[in-house]
Amino acid sequence: AQSVTQPDIHITVSEGASLELRCNYSYGATPYLFWYVQSPGQGLQLLLKYFSGDTLVQGIKGFEAEFKRSQSSFNLRKPSVHWSDAAEYFCAVVGGAAGNKLTFGGGTRVLVKP
Amino acid sequence: DAGVIQSPRHEVTEMGQEVTLRCKPISGHNSLFWYRQTMMRGLELLIYFNNNVPIDDSGMPEDRFSAKMPNASFSTLKIQPSEPRDSAVYFCASSLIRDEEQYFGPGTRLTVT
Repeated sequence: AQSVTQPDIHITVSEGASLELRCNYSYGATPYLFWYVQSPGQGLQLLLKYFSGDTLVQGIKGFEAEFKRSQSSFNLRKPSVHWSDAAEYFCAVVGGAAGNKLTFGGGTRVLVKP
Repeated sequence: DAGVIQSPRHEVTEMGQEVTLRCKPISGHNSLFWYRQTMMRGLELLIYFNNNVPIDDSGMPEDRFSAKMPNASFSTLKIQPSEPRDSAVYFCASSLIRDEEQYFGPGTRLTVT
């Protein structure tokens, strides 16, 4: 069965500093990969997605992610964090035997220090 | 487009009562998903529909939970009878085609006392 692991439960970063959130997946083929963001009390918003092609994908709000097949990773990055980026981030995978069911990682909560 | 619409946004009920959560997917989307989010278990897929037909309900906790999609623009998730452990945020999401990204509603926060 496919699975998604986000090793970091919490990350604290200073405003203006760079951010990298890790995501590893277990899947038998090339999956469709997603990053979602959830602000407090809100639903999930799609940041970016990878289906095929260029392994570096750009998303909204200045985020990017890189798909590395050899490492089964899809890490999310942002060069300079803003206070409004404080939220919970979820990596997800879909496809294969699971059909169009999204499998989510456990999430990483990002705190931004002034 | 208004996005995925869920109602109510908040529901407080007593144990044993019936609870009905409602969802209107984005017009034209043909897949609909119900999720539950708790601190302990994170995001869990409860059930999903393709073209109004339930495809996978393996995530539904028990017989107290049921979901319907009578038409392409409306779905309900019902809990009868409700229990305190059902307290969670319930999200509905929809997607246009198989394997495409899902668009989430704002969620319904359910509290069962």
